[in-house]
Amino acid sequence: AQSVTQLGSHVSVSEGALVLLRCNYSSSVPPYLFWYVQYPNQGLQLLLKYTSAATLVKGINGFEAEFKKSETSFHLTKPSAHMSDAAEYFCAVSHDSWGKLQFGAGTQVVVTP
Amino acid sequence: DGGITQSPKYLFRKEGQNVTLSCEQNLNHDAMYWYRQDPGQGLRLIYYSQIVNDFQKGDIAEGYSVSREKKESFPLTVTSAQKNPTAFYLCASSDWDSLNSYEQYFGPGTRLTVT
Repeated sequence: AQSVTQLGSHVSVSEGALVLLRCNYSSSVPPYLFWYVQYPNQGLQLLLKYTSAATLVKGINGFEAEFKKSETSFHLTKPSAHMSDAAEYFCAVSHDSWGKLQFGAGTQVVVTP
Repeated sequence: DGGITQSPKYLFRKEGQNVTLSCEQNLNHDAMYWYRQDPGQGLRLIYYSQIVNDFQKGDIAEGYSVSREKKESFPLTVTSAQKNPTAFYLCASSDWDSLNSYEQYFGPGTRLTVT
């Protein structure tokens, strides 16, 4: 069975500092991996996705993530945090033909001035 | 604009009552999904459907029911058998026949409060 672990339920970063959100997955076959962002009381918006085309994936709002098969990781980074990055971030994995996603528990990001 | 609509945004019900949450999409997607979100638990899959008149149970289907009579609609009923129905409910859709088959698009959600 596939699973997703996000290390750290809450992360606080200073404006302008590096944002690093960690995601590890378990899957017996090559997975599809996703990062979604959720603002309060809203749905989820796709930030980026890995579908085996390239290990370094660039997404919206300056975010990127690197797929490392040897570490079973898909960490999300952004070089310089903005106040607008304050939100909850979810990592998700899928590898079946039904398109079902398994989500991590989420990481709440707080950006301080 | 194409997208997914969920109504209402906020819903209040008394314990013991069934309630139906609406989900409509105009993206012409084949697959639709319902998730439940609770603080600190991420999203958990309730039901999903890949085609009209067919649907499958997800990880937490007990106390819920769905129908898929039309491609664009996938309503979720929260029955009185659901022991802890208060939660944020999210509907999603994906076009599983395309190259982006694993990308799900989400609606804005419905926050259900049962007292």
